[in-house]
Amino acid sequence: DTEVTQTPKHLVMGMTNKKSLKCEQHMGHRAMYWYKQKAKKPPELMFVYSYEKLSINESVPSRFSPECPNSSLLNLHLHALQPEDSALYLCASSQAVASYGYTFGSGTRLTVV
Amino acid sequence: AQKVTQAQTEISVVEKEDVTLDCVYETRDTTYYLFWYKQPPSGELVFLIRRNSFDEQNEISGRYSWNFQKSTSSFNFTITASQVVDSAVYFCALSSFGGTSYGKLTFGQGTILTVHP
Repeated sequence: DTEVTQTPKHLVMGMTNKKSLKCEQHMGHRAMYWYKQKAKKPPELMFVYSYEKLSINESVPSRFSPECPNSSLLNLHLHALQPEDSALYLCASSQAVASYGYTFGSGTRLTVV
Repeated sequence: AQKVTQAQTEISVVEKEDVTLDCVYETRDTTYYLFWYKQPPSGELVFLIRRNSFDEQNEISGRYSWNFQKSTSSFNFTITASQVVDSAVYFCALSSFGGTSYGKLTFGQGTILTVHP
């Protein structure tokens, strides 16, 4: 299995909702990442997990809460989001942090209404 | 800090034309990796190539070729005989191992390539 699987593919949520994005990989990678990509912009790093511990938080607002319950799974919990948080959220994994290879999922398109 | 610059925001060509996408990078590290990714409208980032800082060999893969020149900090990507299926956004990216950039994959702004039939 050489894939990173993200669910759901599309999500519409209200500003008072709580939702979660899920990312899963079974390649034995020990680093996992969340990126946010706005339309016509490059992906921007949000969080990095290394060996299930948060190693990088790029000053992301607390309404985004990451969680890494095990080495294969990465979640992003969303609460009280704003319309400007609407974006494509990409998950990626690599063998280790600063590895020479990153595998990306197909993303979750989030719309906040 | 590290930086990737893709000066071409959009390129439009007619099928069968050759097209080169430029990428210039900045890093203080001596060990780093450079990448090219393709992002079709569906959204997924498709890995195309990786080069490490110690390997300046150019590479050809079918219609794709890459030219890495450390002297000019450039990692350019050429598509020969372009096809409509090549239409996508292409990102150049850099990953290094030093200081505050450790663990971060930095992307250029992307080049939108449109190939017309």
